[in-house]
Amino acid sequence: KAGVTQTPRYLIKTRGQQVTLSCSPISGHRSVSWYQQTPGQGLQFLFEYFSETQRNKGNFPGRFSGRQFSNSRSEMNVSTLELGDSALYLCASSLNTGEETQYFGPGTRLLVL
Amino acid sequence: GNSVTQMEGPVTLSEEAFLTINCTYTATGYPSLFWYVQYPGEGLQLLLKATKADDKGSNKGFEATYRKETTSFHLEKGSVQVSDSAVYFCALTNTGGFKTIFGAGTRLFVKA
Repeated sequence: KAGVTQTPRYLIKTRGQQVTLSCSPISGHRSVSWYQQTPGQGLQFLFEYFSETQRNKGNFPGRFSGRQFSNSRSEMNVSTLELGDSALYLCASSLNTGEETQYFGPGTRLLVL
Repeated sequence: GNSVTQMEGPVTLSEEAFLTINCTYTATGYPSLFWYVQYPGEGLQLLLKATKADDKGSNKGFEATYRKETTSFHLEKGSVQVSDSAVYFCALTNTGGFKTIFGAGTRLFVKA
């Protein structure tokens, strides 16, 4: 069974631009969570989607948004990029919402200049 | 609130040395506990987990025991290899939780 895939793997943007990251969960998994990883803040939870609905949200500004499609694929969007948004963005999937075991993708590394 | 504290790194060991990475947690209820490993340039991989007190998770020679009385979940391995060099994250999820809380991560270097 294929693992979690994320595209693109690397991205360079400039301040003020917006970016969309994509995540395809493991086949059959219906829950997708997003995390931001930075050297200073570590791993921080962004949000979780299940059945096309956002189920939980971390403490990030409204510039960070996401959505999930009927095939469980998910996208996250960051608008008006700031230098501090440079990070590794990780997507994790699980069978159902509230499922404790998550499987992570390789991440998208975003650099904001 | 829930939190995870793990020992600061980096930890540098010689091949075949014994490894311990300490992890303690604060949580309401009965969380599940996890160790994840992140190799350079990759995402996180689940290493092992334990879902209730006194459970021992194990995988690839790594072990950790869920100790409710000391709120700890220390990672151990009897003999490390160079290929174990990575960052290790301790994490918890509360029952029915949607959000996993991660520790800051401990970088391990193993020298040949």
